[in-house]
Amino acid sequence: SQQGEEDPQALSIQEGENATMNCSYKTSINNLQWYRQNSGRGLVHLILIRSNEREKHSGRLRVTLDTSKKSSSLLITASRAADTASYFCATDSYGGATNKLIFGTGTLLAVQP
Amino acid sequence: DVKVTQSSRYLVKRTGEKVFLECVQDMDHENMFWYRQDPGLGLRLIYFSYDVKMKEKGDIPEGYSVSREKKERFSLILESASTNQTSMYLCASSRRSGTKGYTFGSGTRLTVV
Repeated sequence: SQQGEEDPQALSIQEGENATMNCSYKTSINNLQWYRQNSGRGLVHLILIRSNEREKHSGRLRVTLDTSKKSSSLLITASRAADTASYFCATDSYGGATNKLIFGTGTLLAVQP
Repeated sequence: DVKVTQSSRYLVKRTGEKVFLECVQDMDHENMFWYRQDPGLGLRLIYFSYDVKMKEKGDIPEGYSVSREKKERFSLILESASTNQTSMYLCASSRRSGTKGYTFGSGTRLTVV
């Protein structure tokens, strides 16, 4: 079952612009995480925001979380061509013996030089 | 550099073959996961394990089994490969709490002909 749905599915911007991706989810969560995937490779963990946090920063990344709307956004500031990748949100909902992540379908970001 | 290693980058197997996908992590993580990734469907959880010899079904376990005899190794088994199991398979591991995110392998692209 898909928990997170990213919006937009694809985004194309110019180098130096900001990129914003949104994620909506359905059930209560412990935390929400964002991952990046370069073409045909594994995913890399970017940032985690807990359910009791509203905003978090890491370098050029800013993540917000609105649990009342069950939504999150990832902002990449001053984008670079190297930021071109797919970005996934993933929700962590404790159920059973351990935590497990449920991923959305991703946003494909293309940054034009 | 800590890592999750998947034994094969590309595999081509015939319909009906028994296929083993191997994953090894060197971070002493308790949790290990197998996902498959298909265009438009994102990542879907097949099986996960929170301890040696323990396993739980994910969202799409049909046609798959797993083995975790040692903490560092988690194997995915396709008992009788079928063409609809052609996909990218991603292994991941995490601490029991999951609060540091997942570490992913580079993926195995499996083609069943």
